[in-house]
Amino acid sequence: GENVEQHPSTLSVQEGDSAVIKCTYSDSASNYFPWYKQELGKRPQLIIDIRSNVGEKKDQRIAVTLNKTAKHFSLHITETQPEDSAVYFCAAKNTGFQKLVFGTGTRLLVSP
Amino acid sequence: EAGVTQFPSHSVIEKGQTVTLRCDPISGHDNLYWYRRVMGKEIKFLLHFVKESKQDESGMPNNRFLAERTGGTYSTLKVQPAELEDSGVYFCASSQDRLWGLAFSGELFFGEGSRLTVL
Repeated sequence: GENVEQHPSTLSVQEGDSAVIKCTYSDSASNYFPWYKQELGKRPQLIIDIRSNVGEKKDQRIAVTLNKTAKHFSLHITETQPEDSAVYFCAAKNTGFQKLVFGTGTRLLVSP
Repeated sequence: EAGVTQFPSHSVIEKGQTVTLRCDPISGHDNLYWYRRVMGKEIKFLLHFVKESKQDESGMPNNRFLAERTGGTYSTLKVQPAELEDSGVYFCASSQDRLWGLAFSGELFFGEGSRLTVL
C-alpha cells in the first residue's frame, strides 16, 4: 500500500522567512496530493492540493510542487507570519481507491 | 452549513472499559472516514464508509474496534475493551466525491476529533 514520509518533523523560522516541507510517496499510482493545516486544538483543514497532471500550484503565499518521477512533493510558504504556526500534514491518494494516506506531520513555529 | 461534528471531545477511561465515539458528517456526504492520530505520528486510516457500507476497514487495529453507520448518516466507533495503546485522537472526516477525469476525488472535511485517554 501507499506510504508517505514527511520531513522535517519540526521547523522553526523567523517571521518573513520562507518555509519548505517535503514529502515522498511510494505508490506511483497516487495522483492526488493535498496539504492540511491543523492549528492547536482545531480540526485539520485543507489549504492546497495538487493533482498529477500539474507540476506546481500556487495560492497567494503558499505553493505546492510535484515531481512524479521522483515521487515527491513539497509545500512552500513564503513571507511566513505567526499565524502560519501549526502542524502541516501532507497526504497522497489514488483516487480509484479513495483512501487518503497521511504523513507524520510537521510542526511549524514562526517567531515574530 | 454545519461541519463534521464529533462527540465526545475528550474521554478518559480505564483499561478494560468501553467507549463509544460518535461522528455526524456533513449532510449529504456519502463518504465517512475514521482516522486516528497517536502523539507525534501520522494521521492513520482506520476505515471508510460509503453510505452505510464499509468500503475499506483495512486500518482497524483488531476486533476490539467496531464501527457502524446505520442508515448512512452518523457513525459510531466503539472500543471494547479499551487498552492503553488505544489512546490518541480519533478523527472523523466526510467527503462527497466529484468526478475528475475518469476518477473521483473529493476534499476531506474533518471534525475536531475525540481525544481518548486510556489509563
